[in-house]
Order: sequence, then structure tokens, then C-alpha cells
Amino acid sequence: EPEVTQTPSHQVTQMGQEVILRCVPISNHLYFYWYRQILGQKVEFLVSFYNNEISEKSEIFDDQFSVERPDGSNFTLKIRSTKLEDSAMYFCASGGGDNEKLFFGSGTQLSVL
Amino acid sequence: GQNIDQPTEMTATEGAIVQINCTYQTSGFNGLFWYQQHAGEAPTFLSYNVLDGLEEKGRFSSFLSRSKGYSYLLLKELQMKDSASYLCAVREQTGANNLFFGTGTRLTVIP
Repeated sequence: EPEVTQTPSHQVTQMGQEVILRCVPISNHLYFYWYRQILGQKVEFLVSFYNNEISEKSEIFDDQFSVERPDGSNFTLKIRSTKLEDSAMYFCASGGGDNEKLFFGSGTQLSVL
Repeated sequence: GQNIDQPTEMTATEGAIVQINCTYQTSGFNGLFWYQQHAGEAPTFLSYNVLDGLEEKGRFSSFLSRSKGYSYLLLKELQMKDSASYLCAVREQTGANNLFFGTGTRLTVIP
């Protein structure tokens, strides 16, 4: 079965530093997403991306966050100035369209010190 | 907005049947999904309901009642490997096909 791949699997950074989390969605998918999961809590929606622009974002996705699809395969999440509370598992997901399931990557565990 | 409720934890015996309930309130319903998540891993798709009724897939079945804002996931012939969190997620009628997740139900299967 096709997979969503994410790199790195773990990222440790200092508070205030910028991080970029990388994802390669499934190749024929059109919708791309970032979710996060703080340890012991629920999976939270951050942002969705379709047709080269953000289609929806949550309250969590403030000015410190940005997404980009720099080429035909990669989808990145950038956090400009990390805070302690940004420590979480970040999942990328992709989907083919209406009524289709989302496929999740294996996640990037971000630790902000 | 969404309000999705599921029990926090459940325990069941190997070989038995367990039902995990989910209730939801949403402004524009467009489907309900169940995902399985083992600790430290990504959610993996189990089932999808958009119309009322039961969807069966091997040992897993999922039921939906849109008028009641209610779904359940039924797991039969439980195996030890079924110990995981089960996430109920609702899709809203937006153009983005987003999923919004409940807190998940942590199922422990005991011998």
C-alpha cells in the first residue's frame, strides 16, 4: 500500500529556533494536512492544503506556522520560533478527495527544550 | 465546530466482543471515520460511515445513526494485538475534507 513518509522521525530544538518538518504525501493525492498530538492528548487539526494554497486552518495554526509545497512531491511545515508548548508528535496526512480516507505518516516527534 | 465524545478507557477479554461508542455534534456532517492508533504510531484507517447503518469489515464493524449523532465500533474475536487507542473522527462539509478527532478510547485486551 502507498505510504506517506515523514522526516525526521525525531527533532530536538531549542526554544526560539526555527524547525521544518518534511512530508512526502502519496503521489496522486490532492489534499494535504498537518495534525499534531501532544502526549496523552487527542489528535488536533492544524491546517489543510489544496490546489497550492491553505484551504482551512485551526486556531493553533498562528503566524508562527507556515506550510509550503516547494515542488511536486514535498509538503513542509515550518515553525518560525518554537515554544515549549510546541512539543508534540506532528503527523502529515494526505487524501485523494471527497469521501476518501486520510493516510497518515509515521510522524515527527518534536521536542522543544 | 465539533464536539466528539468517547469513553477514555475500556478493558475486554481475548476472544470477546467489545463495542466502543462515539457521540458527536457538528455543524455540517459529512462522514464518520474510525482509526486505530498504537502507542507512538500513526493512526491507521479502520472504517468509514456516511449513511446510516452498519458497515462490516472482517472482525470490525461500524454503525452510524446521523439523527442521533451516534456511532459505534464493534470488534469481534478480540486478539491481544487489538490493544490500542480507537479514534472516532468526524468530517465536516467543508471543501477541505478535514477530519476532527475525539480523544480516543484506549482499549486493553487481557488474556
